[in-house]
Formats: sequence, structure tokens, C-alpha cells
Amino acid sequence: DGGITQSPKYLFRKEGQNVTLSCEQNLNHDAMYWYRQDPGQGLRLIYYSQIVNDFQKGDIAEGYSVSREKKESFPLTVTSAQKNPTAFYLCATHGGWGKTGELFFGEGSRLTVL
Amino acid sequence: GEDVEQSLFLSVREGDSSVINCTYTDSSSTYLYWYKQEPGAGLQLLTYIFSNMDMKQDQRLTVLLNKKDKHLSLRIADTQTGDSAIYFCAESRAGANNLFFGTGTRLTVIP
Repeated sequence: DGGITQSPKYLFRKEGQNVTLSCEQNLNHDAMYWYRQDPGQGLRLIYYSQIVNDFQKGDIAEGYSVSREKKESFPLTVTSAQKNPTAFYLCATHGGWGKTGELFFGEGSRLTVL
Repeated sequence: GEDVEQSLFLSVREGDSSVINCTYTDSSSTYLYWYKQEPGAGLQLLTYIFSNMDMKQDQRLTVLLNKKDKHLSLRIADTQTGDSAIYFCAESRAGANNLFFGTGTRLTVIP
């Protein structure tokens, strides 16, 4: 069954801790994205990767880090430098801009800082 | 500016039509999209329209595009309680490697 798997679904973190959110896809898509969602603010782009071993900062990259060692995986680390990390995080993939250009989304991970 | 604008809230009665509006700013937009997000879940693509089209209909959904005014709308006919969700419009722009999303409109369907 093709799709995007995000884990964990819910995560609690104490202040000062780093946490890593997992995103795995079996759609064979080259491009992967991380978005942050806050109420009333829509989706804001954190990082994206067009190809393995390459990634670019989005609009709100400060306090986050990523890696893209495999095509299937694009983990996001929320570091202690991120001042307001409580949010809903969405991973997405893209199959290529030559078609309709849609993004495919995972089910999201909700991070709460205690 | 780069903002994609939507109203935050919309309430309709079950069986009525819903119209969700979106304005965008970039004239280079190629595709425009409507996504649906149910509580605690990711976004699912509902429909999309290519920028050289004025209208697209897909069962209960009608998308209207006014390129001159940079205005996009989604009409849901015979709205059901299962349509309650957040609806996002998004645009792709020439030369950009991602989509640009609106703030989302929370649709509440009243039984």
C-alpha cells in the first residue's frame, strides 16, 4: 500500500530536549517537504529536499534540522533552539512538476512541549 | 506580496451549498489546488484546476477561477456533515519548488 508514514503521531517533549520526527515514503518520489501548521496560520515550509543528499531551507528553518540520506526517508529534528515548537508537523512528497504538481501528505505528528 | 488569503471560518446548514473563497497574488501560477483536512489528519487533495481554465466540476465540487482578479472559489453542493473540515487553497508558481498555501477555512456544517 503506497503512502507516507509519519511517526510518532503524538510526541511530548520537555524544554531543552531535541526530538526527531520520522517521515518515510514508498511512493518513489524525489521531493520531500516538512511543513508546520499552527491554528489560523496555514502551512509554513520548514525544509524541503529535491533529491537525496540535498535539502534547502524553507521560510521557518531556524531551530530545525533535516537529513536526506535515503530517498525514502526525510527525518526532521526539532532542536532546543526552536523557541515555540508546539505545533502540528506535516510531511509531504512530490512526484514531479511535469504532471499536476500536487503534494501528497502524511497524517501528521503533533508535538507538545511541556 | 506572497500571501494566499482565505477567510478563517464558514458555517452552513446541511443541504445548503458552501462557497469557500481564496485570493492569490502571483500571476505566474500554473495550477491551483483545493485540499481538505479532517481533524488531526493530513491534507488530502480534493481537486485542482489548471490556470488556463475558468471552471472545473467534479461531482458535488465546482471550482471557479477568475484569473484577472486572482480569485479562486470552491463550491460544495448539498453540503453534508462529513464535509466539516478545514479547506486549504494552494498555488504552484513558475520557478518555485513548493506550493504556497492559504491560511485554511474551517467549514462547519450545522445539522
